[in-house]
Amino acid sequence: AQSVTQLGSHVSVSEGALVLLRCNYSSSVPPYLFWYVQYPNQGLQLLLKYTSAATLVKGINGFEAEFKKSETSFHLTKPSAHMSDAAEYFCAVSVLHGGSQGNLIFGKGTKLSVKP
Amino acid sequence: KAGVTQTPRYLIKTRGQQVTLSCSPISGHRSVSWYQQTPGQGLQFLFEYFSETQRNKGNFPGRFSGRQFSNSRSEMNVSTLELGDSALYLCASSPEPTVYGYTFGSGTRLTVV
Repeated sequence: AQSVTQLGSHVSVSEGALVLLRCNYSSSVPPYLFWYVQYPNQGLQLLLKYTSAATLVKGINGFEAEFKKSETSFHLTKPSAHMSDAAEYFCAVSVLHGGSQGNLIFGKGTKLSVKP
Repeated sequence: KAGVTQTPRYLIKTRGQQVTLSCSPISGHRSVSWYQQTPGQGLQFLFEYFSETQRNKGNFPGRFSGRQFSNSRSEMNVSTLELGDSALYLCASSPEPTVYGYTFGSGTRLTVV
C-alpha cells in the first residue's frame, strides 16, 4: 500500500531563508509524486509533479523538488522564502490504477510560517 | 479558462439530514474526484468518476455517494448526516485519468450541527 509521511507539521523560516519541506513515500511500484499548496479557505494548488521523467522537478513560485528513489524522498525546496509562501503544503503520491492514474494519497501537511 | 467550480461554498445541516454538493470541472476535463478534508483525518479520497462511471472508490460508508453527468459535472450526496461529516469537501478535475495531476476547486465547507 502506498503512503506518504511529511516530517514536521509546522516549519518556520525567516523571509529570505531556505525553505525545506520533507516528504517520504512508500510504494511498491514506481510512484507519481506531487506537491500541493493550500492557502486559508482555499482549495489545493498544484506546485509541481514527478512523473518518472527528470528527478529534479521545477514548479511554480520558485519551488522545486528532487525525487530520490534510494531515500524514498521527494523534499520540496525554495532558495529564498517570501511572506506570500506562508501556507500549508501537502505531499501526495499516486500509483497506476487499471493502467491509468489512481487517486492521490496525501501526507498530513506541513504549515509553513514565514517571519519578517 | 474557468477553474473547478464548487457550489455551495458553505453549508450548515442538521444531523440526520442529507446534502448534495455540486462540482463543475474545467471545460474539457472528464475525470472528477472528490476528497474530504478534516483536521483529524486530513485529506481522504472519496471517489472518482470518468465518463459517468465510477472508476475508483475510497473507504467511506455507503452514506456517501456520487454521480457524474454527461457534461462531466458531478454531484456527491451524503445521507443521514453525522457530526463527523463536518469537513471541507474538495472536488478535483483532470482531462482524463492519466498523470496530469488534478486541479482542485475551492471546496464546500459543510458543518453538521
